[in-house]
Amino acid sequence: DIQMTQSPSTLSSSIGDRVTITCRASQSISSSLAWYQQKPGKAPKLLIYEASNLESGVPSRISGSGSGTEFTLTITSLQPDDFATYYCQQYKSPPYTFGQGTNLEI
Amino acid sequence: QEQLVQSGAGVKKPGSSVKVSCKASGDTFNNYGISWVRQAPGQGLEWMGGIIPIFGATNSAEKFQGRVTITADASTTTVYLELSSLRSEDTAVYYCAREARQGARFDPWGQGILVTVSS
Repeated sequence: DIQMTQSPSTLSSSIGDRVTITCRASQSISSSLAWYQQKPGKAPKLLIYEASNLESGVPSRISGSGSGTEFTLTITSLQPDDFATYYCQQYKSPPYTFGQGTNLEI
Repeated sequence: QEQLVQSGAGVKKPGSSVKVSCKASGDTFNNYGISWVRQAPGQGLEWMGGIIPIFGATNSAEKFQGRVTITADASTTTVYLELSSLRSEDTAVYYCAREARQGARFDPWGQGILVTVSS
């Protein structure tokens, strides 16, 4: 199985900050990586696919980059709505695996 | 906009089985795969398995093989997840999610169903 490791597990930031979350795969997954945002009691929401493609309706202050084994999710100018948990997911090969999550808190 | 509507579950006894349903539109049912992902309380996301409803082809994580059955009913455009031999560690919110045509990224997701395994 491909292991996905996110860092940090928790990130404390403020409104207007720029933050970066890292996701590493245990083997190359090319660009087969997605990022999700999840708020308490809600289903995850797709933000980014193919490592850097922004899902329709997602604000442009959110971006993704990387390929192979190292990926980043960057949010510029943090807004109150951005405080949530973020997960990366590889879909290169099953079982499709997720990172352990990054809790972005104020 | 596509919605996946889930139903079922509740409280189950250890050793029993649970069946959760996920109703999709005809377009989703006929043209996409659907996966099941679970989330234990306070924990991360775990992919369990998926199905291409129109073909009935399934795959599942090795961890659940032998305990999980994923099926699809074309007459109601509904996908089902059945998990047997339940134990307390299976207490989780179970989500269904549509797979993209190219690559198993998930969007949209069902609302999630809580399954509690308790005696």
